Amino acid sequence: GQQVMQIPQYQHVQEGEDFTTYCNSSTTLSNIQWYKQRPGGHPVFLIQLVKSGEVKKQKRLTFQFGEAKKNSSLHITATQTTDVGTYFCARSGYSTLTFGKGTMLLVSP
Amino acid sequence: DADVTQTPRNRITKTGKRIMLECSQTKGHDRMYWYRQDPGLGLRLIYYSFDVKDINKGEISDGYSVSRQAQAKFSLSLESAIPNQTALYFCATSDLDSYGYTFGSGTRLTIV
Repeated sequence: GQQVMQIPQYQHVQEGEDFTTYCNSSTTLSNIQWYKQRPGGHPVFLIQLVKSGEVKKQKRLTFQFGEAKKNSSLHITATQTTDVGTYFCARSGYSTLTFGKGTMLLVSP
Repeated sequence: DADVTQTPRNRITKTGKRIMLECSQTKGHDRMYWYRQDPGLGLRLIYYSFDVKDINKGEISDGYSVSRQAQAKFSLSLESAIPNQTALYFCATSDLDSYGYTFGSGTRLTIV
């Protein structure tokens, strides 16, 4: 299926700093989903974005879908150690998901 | 109990052996998937099934087979395991009315 590219691959922040991961596609996305995988855990669904320019918030997490529906971002305000993990974006194909390679976030106290 | 249960959680087996990974779910979802996760490569789709009579190949199906025994059960087999099939395997479910996939806890498979 069509790929989605995630950047950065890895980021290490101090607790309290902000964090952003980006998901980019060369083709228009019908929707984008975001997942979080804690170390040693399994991916957990966070949110789905469908509309052009959509912005959704979950506490300190802000998700955006680009106006052209070719990119998305996840921003975490004032990171905490509980935010540690790998964040994946995923695009829908024919009722299946194609995942990006993920951004691993490490938060130092 | 977990919504999506995978067994075994860990398995070490020898090259050439046949192995089956099992997945069962209590979500009542029709759609089930098997993904493989390798460090730095994300999650790649092996096989998926939209109902009991439906089986579809994913991105990396070579060397694998699946069986959908019931709506709630979807197993993945490696007919003759090889070392580069060492990975973390996830089963997932979804439904038309649900947003997002529900993943099992994974099976860590090592082939020596």
